[in-house]
Amino acid sequence: TQLLEQSPQFLSIQEGENLTVYCNSSSVFSSLQWYRQEPGEGPVLLVTVVTGGEVKKLKRLTFQFGDARKDSSLHITAAQPGDTGLYLCAGVVNDYKLSFGAGTTVTVRA
Amino acid sequence: GAGVSQSPRYKVAKRGQDVALRCDPISGHVSLFWYQQALGQGPEFLTYFQNEAQLDKSGLPSDRFFAERPEGSVSTLKIQRTQQEDSAVYLCASSLSPGRKTQYFGPGTRLLVL
Repeated sequence: TQLLEQSPQFLSIQEGENLTVYCNSSSVFSSLQWYRQEPGEGPVLLVTVVTGGEVKKLKRLTFQFGDARKDSSLHITAAQPGDTGLYLCAGVVNDYKLSFGAGTTVTVRA
Repeated sequence: GAGVSQSPRYKVAKRGQDVALRCDPISGHVSLFWYQQALGQGPEFLTYFQNEAQLDKSGLPSDRFFAERPEGSVSTLKIQRTQQEDSAVYLCASSLSPGRKTQYFGPGTRLLVL
């Protein structure tokens, strides 16, 4: 049973467009992480958010942690084909293990 | 430096066979995790080691699943009497110490049980 729900499940956009992926839970997390996973590879950490209301920017990616620390969003500006992949959010449970959402598959068409 | 490596990368097993999956964590990493990722899903936690001690095995789906890390480095996940529902990608991750929340994942072993 996954504690985190991600939406949408699939997203296909044209190069240059913007996109937002959502991650919601009824549970409070001490911190939340976003990963990107490419086919045949393991997830790679993009960011960790810790403080409610926190906003972090990583080039064209903006991550937001909800005030109540139950939800988060990932916004990509001017998407590029290299942004294609499976985006996973994960809550840190008991300070060590990760509880992942089901992921959002993003396809950016050239 | 070298990342987390896993072997084999692919494994096909007949139902009922035993399999062993190996994980080589990043050298010096204290914490080691196993996750199971079914097709179209996110990874699900299986078990956690701190050095050679298995501190959490709450995610192991049945007593057919067994993991060990006898010398605190390499770990093996063993599945006995494999079933079709065991088909998944098995991911190993390591982190430097228990306080560090950054986990580095290996490429996974894709297990197909026929």
